Amino acid sequence: DTGVSQDPRHKITKRGQNVTFRCDPISEHNRLYWYRQTLGQGPEFLTYFQNEAQLEKSRLLSDRFSAERPKGSFSTLEIQRTEQGDSAMYLCASSGGGDPANYGYTFGSGTRLTVV
Amino acid sequence: AQSVTQLGSHVSVSEGALVLLRCNYSSSVPPYLFWYVQYPNQGLQLLLKYTTGATLVKGINGFEAEFKKSETSFHLTKPSAHMSDAAEYFCAVTNTNAGKSTFGDGTTLTVKP
Repeated sequence: DTGVSQDPRHKITKRGQNVTFRCDPISEHNRLYWYRQTLGQGPEFLTYFQNEAQLEKSRLLSDRFSAERPKGSFSTLEIQRTEQGDSAMYLCASSGGGDPANYGYTFGSGTRLTVV
Repeated sequence: AQSVTQLGSHVSVSEGALVLLRCNYSSSVPPYLFWYVQYPNQGLQLLLKYTTGATLVKGINGFEAEFKKSETSFHLTKPSAHMSDAAEYFCAVTNTNAGKSTFGDGTTLTVKP
């Protein structure tokens, strides 16, 4: 297994455009998380999937944000009508569930979004 | 609700000196606690975790942390700093079975030769 993969690594987009990011988690992990990180801050929770079900969504996630995880494998995060405030690093992480001994994230390298 | 406070956004030590990065948490139920390291232009990597059992946990690269419930702390230490330890370190707390973590704002560790 090659770990958690995110694509693209960098994205520059004009304000108002839509963008979509992809995350491929570790194959045996049933939990997948999206976080957002801005300079000087720790990651902020956006949303969480267990298998294909989206179980929790942060209030930070406006209606312009949507995430999917079809078939419980890869996930996509879409931002519609991007704004300059959306500029950030978007991190995907996966983990095993059930036993707390499995807790702890494996992170991808992130997608850095710049909205100009 | 859960929260994390990392005391000191920047810590500087000399190579070979003790590393101590402080983390205090708030949680309404017994927490699970984590330390992650982030090198420049990379994602976060799990250093160590406390979930159950022994309160002194050892992680990768010679780091360890002790869970102290009475002090609501989970400080990260390493006896002797190496230049390669220079990075940003994040403490995180989870207190739900969903495994959702709340992160601190990070501490940047600088190691001087």
